[in-house]
Amino acid sequence: AQKVTQAQTEISVVEKEDVTLDCVYETRDTTYYLFWYKQPPSGELVFLIRRNSFDEQNEISGRYSWNFQKSTSSFNFTITASQVVDSAVYFCALRYNYGQNFVFGPGTRLSVLP
Amino acid sequence: GAVVSQHPSWVICKSGTSVKIECRSLDFQATTMFWYRQFPKQSLMLMATSNEGSKATYEQGVEKDKFLINHASLTLSTLTVTSAHPEDSSFYICSALDTTHITYEQYFGPGTRLTVT
Repeated sequence: AQKVTQAQTEISVVEKEDVTLDCVYETRDTTYYLFWYKQPPSGELVFLIRRNSFDEQNEISGRYSWNFQKSTSSFNFTITASQVVDSAVYFCALRYNYGQNFVFGPGTRLSVLP
Repeated sequence: GAVVSQHPSWVICKSGTSVKIECRSLDFQATTMFWYRQFPKQSLMLMATSNEGSKATYEQGVEKDKFLINHASLTLSTLTVTSAHPEDSSFYICSALDTTHITYEQYFGPGTRLTVT
């Protein structure tokens, strides 16, 4: 079965702290894509990153970084020096079946306190 | 990236009435579009897959007679919630599949918030 697990339902940190959001996925497909989306209170999904199953390189984009490890089926997301504007719900998602199917994790609600 | 729009962005309707939500791919043609529903503090759940020119495929537990999907053109899919009830109040998000690129990207719309009173 295809599944995405985000073990942390809610996280609260104080501004400037680093925070890591965990994501573990399950799939039988050998070709798949992993995503992270941010959903602010407005509701619109904001695309953060896509990673395909053949590219295990970690990525850094400003204060954001991602650690993809196929050996543990994990795709964790770290925010360095968090800011209040980072407060949102973050979804990890898996796309499989040649792109036809998308499954979202349950989401992690991040609150960054000033 | 490609843009997908939804209209309206929010709607309030009375119980028993029907509501239509539009999903448009603005700069690409989408033979396949998807409809998701998100209840408060929950994740997105796929409701149905909409294919241009054919019947939609509904996920288990989604009533096809209640949630009518029409994908009459390559850039437009509509979701009609018939005889809406308060329990249908939710955030509805569509996505469109762009097959012009080998990676088959899915682009998400901004969502429509439906409140049934």
